[in-house]
Amino acid sequence: DTGVSQDPRHKITKRGQNVTFRCDPISEHNRLYWYRQTLGQGPEFLTYFQNEAQLEKSRLLSDRFSAERPKGSFSTLEIQRTEQGDSAMYLCASSWGGDANTIYFGEGSWLTVV
Amino acid sequence: KQEVTQIPAALSVPEGENLVLNCSFTDSAIYNLQWFRQDPGKGLTSLLLIQSSQREQTSGRLNASLDKSSGRSTLYIAASQPGDSATYLCAVRMDSSYKLIFGSGTRLLVRP
Repeated sequence: DTGVSQDPRHKITKRGQNVTFRCDPISEHNRLYWYRQTLGQGPEFLTYFQNEAQLEKSRLLSDRFSAERPKGSFSTLEIQRTEQGDSAMYLCASSWGGDANTIYFGEGSWLTVV
Repeated sequence: KQEVTQIPAALSVPEGENLVLNCSFTDSAIYNLQWFRQDPGKGLTSLLLIQSSQREQTSGRLNASLDKSSGRSTLYIAASQPGDSATYLCAVRMDSSYKLIFGSGTRLLVRP
């Protein structure tokens, strides 16, 4: 098992462009999470999937943000019409069902909007 | 609204010292609390998870305690080493949700 994988690791884009990040969770993990982290802060929750169903979504996830998890496997996070304030690290995490579930994070995808 | 605070924001200690990191939360209706380690530019690694019914968890030189009623948790690191240098984050999960609410972290530097 190779852990949670995120791609790309780094992305520089011009303001107004669309970007998409991909996350491959640990195989057989049914829960998948997206978080955003800016420098000097802790991660902030964006959204959560159980299998293919998006069960919770933060108010931080504006209309420009959309996440999908087709077939309950990998997930994508798309940001449309990027703004400079979107510059952050986007973290994906996964966990298996159960009450005492440890959550495993990927290495993150850094986004810089110029 | 749950708020998680970590004190101090940064800490520098000589190698070999025992140290305590603090985490406080405003709403005691938590499901569990986790401590994570984050190296610069990297993802998070879970260190210890304490269920709301538990008082402490131990792993090697790490010991985490939880006082749910007072809204506090501590992470104790024994005999610190330079390799312990990282940012330590605590996060709570509420009864009603699977999302984690994080503090801003304590940036630890252990000097050789």
